[in-house]
Amino acid sequence: QKEVEQNSGPLSVPEGAIASLNCTYSDRGSQSFFWYRQYSGKSPELIMFIYSNGDKEDGRFTAQLNKASQYVSLLIRDSQPSDSATYLCAATPPGRRALTFGSGTRLQVQP
Amino acid sequence: EAGVTQFPSHSVIEKGQTVTLRCDPISGHDNLYWYRRVMGKEIKFLLHFVKESKQDESGMPNNRFLAERTGGTYSTLKVQPAELEDSGVYFCASSPRGSTWDTEAFFGQGTRLTVV
Repeated sequence: QKEVEQNSGPLSVPEGAIASLNCTYSDRGSQSFFWYRQYSGKSPELIMFIYSNGDKEDGRFTAQLNKASQYVSLLIRDSQPSDSATYLCAATPPGRRALTFGSGTRLQVQP
Repeated sequence: EAGVTQFPSHSVIEKGQTVTLRCDPISGHDNLYWYRRVMGKEIKFLLHFVKESKQDESGMPNNRFLAERTGGTYSTLKVQPAELEDSGVYFCASSPRGSTWDTEAFFGQGTRLTVV
């Protein structure tokens, strides 16, 4: 079982719609969760982080964390073609500084 | 301010050869991480330096990989001898002392290594 799992996609949504990206993790002791966006050939860029159960909103982005279900999600409202990228979910396992990444979900926003 | 810089951006070498990748972290960043992504797989942690000391090298795949950070500034990752399965994108990230991933941690653009 992978430590962080994501559906590879592609997830295709029309412009203006809500994109919902999901991630599950296996280590119940993981404390911190991160969403990175990566454009092709570019470096991963942090867009959201969440530590507590519930929702966290930042502009068009909402991260959701459910520790009981070991589930993290990212919602992108009013999706734009510029949001088309690979979205990486990551967690920090207990006692470690390093991030553990999922394989990423490719999002395509259709104009 | 310059970001995390990696050299070269691309490298194509033959199986059995040696390759050295370089990472220049953001100035003043004590933490330096190496990660890699092989084709079709997730980005995987290789090792973590705090200044010149290896804090965590649990992700290094085998003894063909050698990472150094002499003087606590830039870091090199040498692969000797390279094998086909070493092909992928190697990322470096850096952050200040005491920071976590939600603050001031940045990735470089990566080095794409192709072993033929």
